[in-house]
Amino acid sequence: DSGVTQTPKHLITATGQRVTLRCSPRSGDLSVYWYQQSLDQGLQFLIQYYNGEERAKGNILERFSAQQFPDLHSELNLSSLELGDSALYFCASSVADSPGSPLHFGNGTRLTVT
Amino acid sequence: EDKVVQSPLSLVVHEGDTVTLNCSYEVTNFRSLLWYKQEKKAPTFLFMLTSSGIEKKSGRLSSILDKKELFSILNITATQTGDSAVYLCAPKGGSTLGRLYFGRGTQLTVWP
Repeated sequence: DSGVTQTPKHLITATGQRVTLRCSPRSGDLSVYWYQQSLDQGLQFLIQYYNGEERAKGNILERFSAQQFPDLHSELNLSSLELGDSALYFCASSVADSPGSPLHFGNGTRLTVT
Repeated sequence: EDKVVQSPLSLVVHEGDTVTLNCSYEVTNFRSLLWYKQEKKAPTFLFMLTSSGIEKKSGRLSSILDKKELFSILNITATQTGDSAVYLCAPKGGSTLGRLYFGRGTQLTVWP
């Protein structure tokens, strides 16, 4: 168990809807990352937060947004969902935003858009 | 453009065999390289390599980094069925120090 908690485990929703994925980082970790993994692609970096502030953006669509709260948990909001958004969404955390801090991943939220 | 290429994409071996997984990378502001094992769910952390030529070992797994030639290898000796997984190579770098760039992974299947 990595100590990173993601909820829900599975989510099935219809096109056009909006969902929120939640992540609690490991105790003491300040940095949170969101990654998307679909069948035909590897892990794609979406966004990173460090101690409540956005640190880096990757291939995140404008329909998606995220935030990190004062208690360091993070939420990823996905809106106007399309079939192609179906994927496994991982949250990861690390102690710091530094080269020496490995990322530890949660078990992911599997999103199915029908 | 930053990229990570892993080979082979897929590997099937019998228990007891030794395997070598390859990872080549081109990442701006390279800082370190991590290896992960992904079974059904979360990628689990195996190694972090920051210096060239220094082998890291954990049981039957070992890994080494060549920062001049921009590649890393992961060796698994005396493979077991429990080693069956996708192995992911992830260099750290780019505009932020913490971001990982993932390769597509090598799917290793170990038959009894």
